[in-house]
Amino acid sequence: QKEVEQNSGPLSVPEGAIASLNCTYSDRGSQSFFWYRQYSGKSPELIMSIYSNGDKEDGRFTAQLNKASQYVSLLIRDSQPSDSATYLCAVEVFTSGTYKYIFGTGTRLKVLA
Amino acid sequence: DVKVTQSSRYLVKRTGEKVFLECVQDMDHENMFWYRQDPGLGLRLIYFSYDVKMKEKGDIPEGYSVSREKKERFSLILESASTNQTSMYLCASSRIPGAAYEQYFGPGTRLTVT
Repeated sequence: QKEVEQNSGPLSVPEGAIASLNCTYSDRGSQSFFWYRQYSGKSPELIMSIYSNGDKEDGRFTAQLNKASQYVSLLIRDSQPSDSATYLCAVEVFTSGTYKYIFGTGTRLKVLA
Repeated sequence: DVKVTQSSRYLVKRTGEKVFLECVQDMDHENMFWYRQDPGLGLRLIYFSYDVKMKEKGDIPEGYSVSREKKERFSLILESASTNQTSMYLCASSRIPGAAYEQYFGPGTRLTVT
C-alpha cells in the first residue's frame, strides 16, 4: 500500500512566524505532489503543486521537494490567523495500471494572534 | 473559473434507503473522483472515472456504485445506506492523470444515515 504520512498536529505558531509542514511518501516513482488547505467544514482547496526537486515559491507559500529523501514540505511565511486550517499533502501514484492521488491525513495548523 | 458542484450540502437518509449523490463539473475534465472523509482517516478514494461510461474501483468501493453517462456528471450511489456510511463525501475532477494535473473539489455533501 502506497502511503503518505503527515504529523496530525496541531502545530501552533505565533502570528508572523514561519509555519513548516512536512509530508513523507513511500512510492519512489511518484512525480507529482500537491498541497491543499482545508478549513473546518469546507472542502480542500489547492495551494501549490510541485514536480521538481527544490523550492517553488508562490507569495507567502514555499513548497520544497526532495525526491531522494521522499519528503515534501510547505513553508508559510508571515503566518496569519486566517492560515489556521488543516493542510493536506497529496501524491500522485501509479498503481494497478492507473494513476491515483493518495492523500495524507493532514496537519492542523493554528496561528495564534 | 474552475467549478465542481454537488447536489446537496447536507443529506439525512434512513438505513436501507438508496442514496444518489450527484457531482457536476464545468471544466471539461476527463477525470472525476469520489472520496469520503472521516476524522482521523483522511480522504479515502471510493471510485474514479477516466472517461464516460468508464469506472475504476478505489480503495473502499464496497457498498457503493457509480455512474458516468456524461463527461461532466459523475454520480455516487449507495445501494442500501448503512450507518457506517455516515460521512463527508467529496467529489473532485482533474485533467489527464499522470500529467501532473491538480484535482479540484466540490463543496462536499455531509451525509447522515440514521
